[in-house]
Amino acid sequence: SYVLTQPPSVSVAPGKTARITCGGNNIGSQGVHWYQQKPGQAPVLVISYDSDRPSGIPERFSGSNSGNTATLTISRVEAGDEADYYCQVWDSSGDHYVFGTGTKVTVL
Amino acid sequence: EVQLVESGGGLVQPGRSLRLSCAASGFTFGDYAMHWVRQAPGKGLEWVSGITWKSGRIDYADSVKGRFTISRDNAKNSLYLQMSSLRAEDTALYYCAKDSMVAAPPGVGYFDYWGQGTLVTVSS
Repeated sequence: SYVLTQPPSVSVAPGKTARITCGGNNIGSQGVHWYQQKPGQAPVLVISYDSDRPSGIPERFSGSNSGNTATLTISRVEAGDEADYYCQVWDSSGDHYVFGTGTKVTVL
Repeated sequence: EVQLVESGGGLVQPGRSLRLSCAASGFTFGDYAMHWVRQAPGKGLEWVSGITWKSGRIDYADSVKGRFTISRDNAKNSLYLQMSSLRAEDTALYYCAKDSMVAAPPGVGYFDYWGQGTLVTVSS
């Protein structure tokens, strides 16, 4: 089955840039979606189709996808960005939706 | 405003069954695929099952195939998950999630709205 690998944690100082990677075999050929989940809350979409930002999501959130790695970038990090982040794709070979392992972003 | 409200969770013994429901409002329910996604305590997200807008295509995660059955009633704006032969590893918060694309096959869209979840605990 298709596996998406994320770093368990990323720490970043306020005002700096956080980069969260999502590794998968030839993931660059697929559309990747990113979700933010704060404690006790349901996930919220922050990036769709690699780099599209839904309305209401700050411009500080951006995404890219190429080769075997997709990346979610959070610029000018704020305390409110502290959350778990998950990437997600559709695995057409298995007819499954797949989530990444998740990354906890800590704002120092 | 889109709302998804799950219900039916609770404490159940291993091997028993449970039926979850999701009541939808604020959008044309019958136009969208719907999904169940679960999250075990302290763990990540796991897609469980999805059903297309007219129930023409149903998919399951390998971990639940043969034990869980997804269904929908478009007249009642409701999504269901019948869970049988429950195991301890099925313990999780179960979310109902809406697909983003109208009348689309699996894999085209993403999960644009989520409910708050209903907790299922499988324990003796």
